[in-house]
Amino acid sequence: DTGVSQDPRHKITKRGQNVTFRCDPISEHNRLYWYRQTLGQGPEFLTYFQNEAQLEKSRLLSDRFSAERPKGSFSTLEIQRTEQGDSAMYLCASGTLSNQPQHFGDGTRLSIL
Amino acid sequence: SQELEQSPQSLIVQEGKNLTINCTSSKTLYGLYWYKQKYGEGLIFLMMLQKGGEEKSHEKITAKLDEKKQQSSLHITASQPSHAGIYLCGADGTQKLVFGQGTRLTINP
Repeated sequence: DTGVSQDPRHKITKRGQNVTFRCDPISEHNRLYWYRQTLGQGPEFLTYFQNEAQLEKSRLLSDRFSAERPKGSFSTLEIQRTEQGDSAMYLCASGTLSNQPQHFGDGTRLSIL
Repeated sequence: SQELEQSPQSLIVQEGKNLTINCTSSKTLYGLYWYKQKYGEGLIFLMMLQKGGEEKSHEKITAKLDEKKQQSSLHITASQPSHAGIYLCGADGTQKLVFGQGTRLTINP
């Protein structure tokens, strides 16, 4: 069990640029989740996949955000035309059933200049 | 939508002292998870509670879910520097977790 892996750990970019984050879940987990966490707050749900199907998206996920999990393994989260308000920690988690714990990666911290 | 309120938001205790963190839900809890987070890092799973009145312990940390399943508490006995961090409660929402705002715990030597 190598745990959930996220890359990069830190991303600094200029406003208006596009960024992409990657998440590699625990191999036997069929569910993958993306959350966003701002300073002093708990994580907020963005979206989740069961295998390759994206089953739910939060209202927080504007049109500038897109997530994929093409082969039901790793996932990418892309933010287009980044804005100042996108600065946050983006956390990925994986799991099996809905009533079982989700296991989190170390996150990608995004800073918008 | 379900909301979780944690109290206190911040806690400073002397090493060796006991402490309690509370998590109150606006709706019945069907699954309650406690996580710990160190600054700038991901969440580490601590415990899961599902049944009213359930109590679980791991090392010096005990978590309880009340009978009515709308409140949970996390109790640390004889706190150590390694207990410092942010403690988050999370509830089973519809196919996702809903989190409280977190409690920042500082342990003073």
